[in-house]
Amino acid sequence: NAGVTQTPKFQVLKTGQSMTLQCAQDMNHNSMYWYRQDPGMGLRLIYYSASEGTTDKGEVPNGYNVSRLNKREFSLRLESAAPSQTSVYFCASSEPWTVNTEAFFGQGTRLTVV
Amino acid sequence: EDKVVQSPLSLVVHEGDTVTLNCSYEVTNFRSLLWYKQEKKAPTFLFMLTSSGIEKKSGRLSSILDKKELFSILNITATQTGDSAVYLCARGGRGGADGLTFGKGTHLIIQP
Repeated sequence: NAGVTQTPKFQVLKTGQSMTLQCAQDMNHNSMYWYRQDPGMGLRLIYYSASEGTTDKGEVPNGYNVSRLNKREFSLRLESAAPSQTSVYFCASSEPWTVNTEAFFGQGTRLTVV
Repeated sequence: EDKVVQSPLSLVVHEGDTVTLNCSYEVTNFRSLLWYKQEKKAPTFLFMLTSSGIEKKSGRLSSILDKKELFSILNITATQTGDSAVYLCARGGRGGADGLTFGKGTHLIIQP
């Protein structure tokens, strides 16, 4: 049972470098999400995707782009990394929200920008 | 803007104690409230609450929602060191794919 898989698990970038965080889910979920988690801030929504081909901004989208490549995969791109983007990034997936829906999370990517 | 506020932010207790974690919310179009446990890595789902006054229970953990007073509590009885974690409360999705809104979490430490 893979669930939600994120790669890489750890990454160190220099300021100004770019990278793409990958996420794939095997639960046939329509909806996928990217969150970041910072100490004392909880999880904050960066972008989400209701279905293949659609994406929407969340609470903290600045500095990020996303691509919903197909139903399984949702990637997060940092075009020019900044130290403020040092964080732990979580991908999640769910069915479209109903009263009995939960979100399933990947294991996270710890990103450090120096 | 939706708000989810958890208290306390951190708590240290001894093994065997009972703890109560609090979550208050101010949200529009409320549908559900979720509790997650986060150890080292991914948050794992504990409960989803949609109706007031109906307790959800799983082993030593239980949770209840009060939609009139806009809060939820998570109780853990007979705590064990394995209960040490960050407990997250979140406003559930309201339709489509609008994501969850999380509180900052309660960092619970159980000392032997």
